[in-house]
Amino acid sequence: SQELEQSPQSLIVQEGKNLTINCTSSKTLYGLYWYKQKYGEGLIFLMMLQKGGEEKSHEKITAKLDEKKQQSSLHITASQPSHAGIYLCGADIIGGATNKLIFGTGTLLAVQP
Amino acid sequence: EAQVTQNPRYLITVTGKKLTVTCSQNMNHEYMSWYRQDPGLGLRQIYYSMNVEVTDKGDVPEGYKVSRKEKRNFPLILESPSPNQTSLYFCASSLRGAGGAWGVAKNIQYFGAGTRLSVL
Repeated sequence: SQELEQSPQSLIVQEGKNLTINCTSSKTLYGLYWYKQKYGEGLIFLMMLQKGGEEKSHEKITAKLDEKKQQSSLHITASQPSHAGIYLCGADIIGGATNKLIFGTGTLLAVQP
Repeated sequence: EAQVTQNPRYLITVTGKKLTVTCSQNMNHEYMSWYRQDPGLGLRQIYYSMNVEVTDKGDVPEGYKVSRKEKRNFPLILESPSPNQTSLYFCASSLRGAGGAWGVAKNIQYFGAGTRLSVL
């Protein structure tokens, strides 16, 4: 089973709607990273969360970290077609190898105009 | 512009024909990694390097080799490619690696655009 579970696996929303993507770890983690990937392309770093309760925002995207639940959420407000893509969470886990991020399998987001 | 450059972007080859995918970064990062991305399996680390001449296996190293002779370059070598190595490959670099408690982990990895490899 995946060490990092993302939900939902895919999401279709109407332009202007809000949405939330979740990322849950089965292991203790101490760094959580959100990336966006356009189909078949590289990963673009969005945000890093380092401590429980931390919340960061960039434009219309907000990420939060619940350390107790070992869970992070990514919230997009008033979605636009430019938000479409695959969102991946990555994490440093306690006891993990140096320089290794483990990744969730991603959430595919489509935004309908 | 800070970037990680992979070449080629697309490659079709046949079983057994040796190939190299190059990766170069211009950020003076110490850490570099190779990942492969497969549907349903996500991103999995193949090899990583902590500095020049220092490399180690990731989760799926079988069938791959790497070298780190210069800080900026980290090529991925497939000595005898097989169809199960058909995948999307990413090179990544970071200033530092994982390790430590909350508040000190800054393992932000910067990714190349990817190399889509098909082995027939």
